[in-house]
Amino acid sequence: DADVTQTPRNRITKTGKRIMLECSQTKGHDRMYWYRQDPGLGLRLIYYSFDVKDINKGEISDGYSVSRQAQAKFSLSLESAIPNQTALYFCATSDISGTSYNEQFFGPGTRLTVL
Amino acid sequence: AQSVTQPDIHITVSEGASLELRCNYSYGATPYLFWYVQSPGQGLQLLLKYFSGDTLVQGIKGFEAEFKRSQSSFNLRKPSVHWSDAAEYFCAVGAIGAGSYQLTFGKGTKLSVIP
Repeated sequence: DADVTQTPRNRITKTGKRIMLECSQTKGHDRMYWYRQDPGLGLRLIYYSFDVKDINKGEISDGYSVSRQAQAKFSLSLESAIPNQTALYFCATSDISGTSYNEQFFGPGTRLTVL
Repeated sequence: AQSVTQPDIHITVSEGASLELRCNYSYGATPYLFWYVQSPGQGLQLLLKYFSGDTLVQGIKGFEAEFKRSQSSFNLRKPSVHWSDAAEYFCAVGAIGAGSYQLTFGKGTKLSVIP
């Protein structure tokens, strides 16, 4: 079974709709992240969470919100989707212990299209 | 703040030829450095990482990378490319220190392999 899962894998929606992307992990990591990937721009950080009570904005948080429901679950919401939020979205996790410090483990991605 | 530059957007090599993908970083201290690979339609998979010690690191799939502090570089190499190596490659730099959390990604280099 995959360590980091994302649902849905693909989603097409219309402008103005509310969308939630979900991420679950079985790695037992405290830190979770949401990124978006656009062609030619690499990955950009949207939000990150160090634990259930700690949520932080990343580079491009405008238009997005998140919820850390449990250590293993981190959801990303688009309150009112717009076409320029069409992108590939990745969830990632990391652990601060030992030699894995800062190494991030990625989910398979959610491809979101906003019409 | 750290930054990463991958100068080559797209590289094409023949199968069996050697490969070098360039990565230059900017960070005020010793960085954590990573190379990830993203195959078409897939998430990101870690190829290798550098934290400290030997500056030549070995990764999966026959890849290696060399950390050169004087050049602020962490170039990825493979002596003989296989068709299955066609993918997009991302270099990333992470900050060190208590509370540090962020990986900064380059914009990626797309590798095409000619049979």
